[in-house]
Amino acid sequence: GAGVSQSPRYKVAKRGQDVALRCDPISGHVSLFWYQQALGQGPEFLTYFQNEAQLDKSGLPSDRFFAERPEGSVSTLKIQRTQQEDSAVYLCASETSGGDYEQYFGPGTRLTVT
Amino acid sequence: GENVEQHPSTLSVQEGDSAVIKCTYSDSASNYFPWYKQELGKGPQLIIDIRSNVGEKKDQRIAVTLNKTAKHFSLHITETQPEDSAVYFCAASRGTYKYIFGTGTRLKVLA
Repeated sequence: GAGVSQSPRYKVAKRGQDVALRCDPISGHVSLFWYQQALGQGPEFLTYFQNEAQLDKSGLPSDRFFAERPEGSVSTLKIQRTQQEDSAVYLCASETSGGDYEQYFGPGTRLTVT
Repeated sequence: GENVEQHPSTLSVQEGDSAVIKCTYSDSASNYFPWYKQELGKGPQLIIDIRSNVGEKKDQRIAVTLNKTAKHFSLHITETQPEDSAVYFCAASRGTYKYIFGTGTRLKVLA
């Protein structure tokens, strides 16, 4: 079956521009996570949704970062007024509701801020 | 705060040899420990996991061990092959909750 998909795969933004990154989770997966992966590092948690409810946004680095999942399926991560330090790969993962705890990751969006 | 340490950062082995990667976690409430393989330009792929009520799990050439008392868990790959070359990440979690990832191990299998 289809896995987690993300778009765009690559995004180049000039400093100060707003960007929107999309995640399509595996159909039926209740939980959705966003992570940020800097070059040569492990993924770091940004935010977590259960259906449409954002249950944890403690990892969002600043108020320029905003995520939503209005209908409990597709999610969008928005970054306003991008800065060079926002350059990273943004990963989305989804998980079933069956208590397996297994998160399935998408290919990521590589954001480069120039 | 919550932390996962991973060692070594790089590991080179001859084809056919074994590779071992070790992780230590700090959050006593962690009860789920997945391992991911990440190839260049791709997202992390789950290769094996272990839960806190189990001490060891094996899947063909891959095994994971967990020592809850010491808060250590390890990945063992036997009979390594060139296609095992990738970056491997360990993670710890409290279940349906965020993962805390290690910093990664770049494994090179030399033919």
